[in-house]
Amino acid sequence: GDSVTQMEGPVTLSEEAFLTINCTYTATGYPSLFWYVQYPGEGLQLLLKATKADDKGSNKGFEATYRKETTSFHLEKGSVQVSDSAVYFCALTPYNFNKFYFGSGTKLNVKP
Amino acid sequence: EAQVTQNPRYLITVTGKKLTVTCSQNMNHEYMSWYRQDPGLGLRQIYYSMNVEVTDKGDVPEGYKVSRKEKRNFPLILESPSPNQTSLYFCASAGTDRTDTQYFGPGTRLTVL
Repeated sequence: GDSVTQMEGPVTLSEEAFLTINCTYTATGYPSLFWYVQYPGEGLQLLLKATKADDKGSNKGFEATYRKETTSFHLEKGSVQVSDSAVYFCALTPYNFNKFYFGSGTKLNVKP
Repeated sequence: EAQVTQNPRYLITVTGKKLTVTCSQNMNHEYMSWYRQDPGLGLRQIYYSMNVEVTDKGDVPEGYKVSRKEKRNFPLILESPSPNQTSLYFCASAGTDRTDTQYFGPGTRLTVL
């Protein structure tokens, strides 16, 4: 069945460091891929998305490219800030859009 | 303001006492869904609804019921809660386009003793 695997955390970085959070997926057809972010005590909110192969989603300095050949959607940011500290979830919805599948989440801690 | 609301935000109950968690959205979304979030497991989908009177099981539906009598409301019902249903629950809504953003509620922290 469809599934999402993302790297375990927590990830601890210093401010202005480069961030990569790995995400790989298993799905039939062409799913849509998403990164959601959860700040402490809040619900999830969409960070970025990509709907077809080679699409790049971007928002607030974060980027992720839909790589069908490697079934990956890694999240990157060139220079993290303390305010980026949160839990990040990779997710997919299959081509026929009925269910959503989330990864286990990666907690990011950014130190000043 | 576009939002998804859930009530209650916190609930402590005992095994076997029926409870309902309400969810409402004001964005005229067709799609609504319930998730539970547990440490190390991420979010798992419980039930979803593509439109009024149309509901379907997600990955972990056992022990839960839902109904969709109106477009804006999607309550989650636990007929006989058990301790393994202690979790953080999120309701979400989206349009029916597969690229649409899901909007999440603030969460309901449920403890079953």
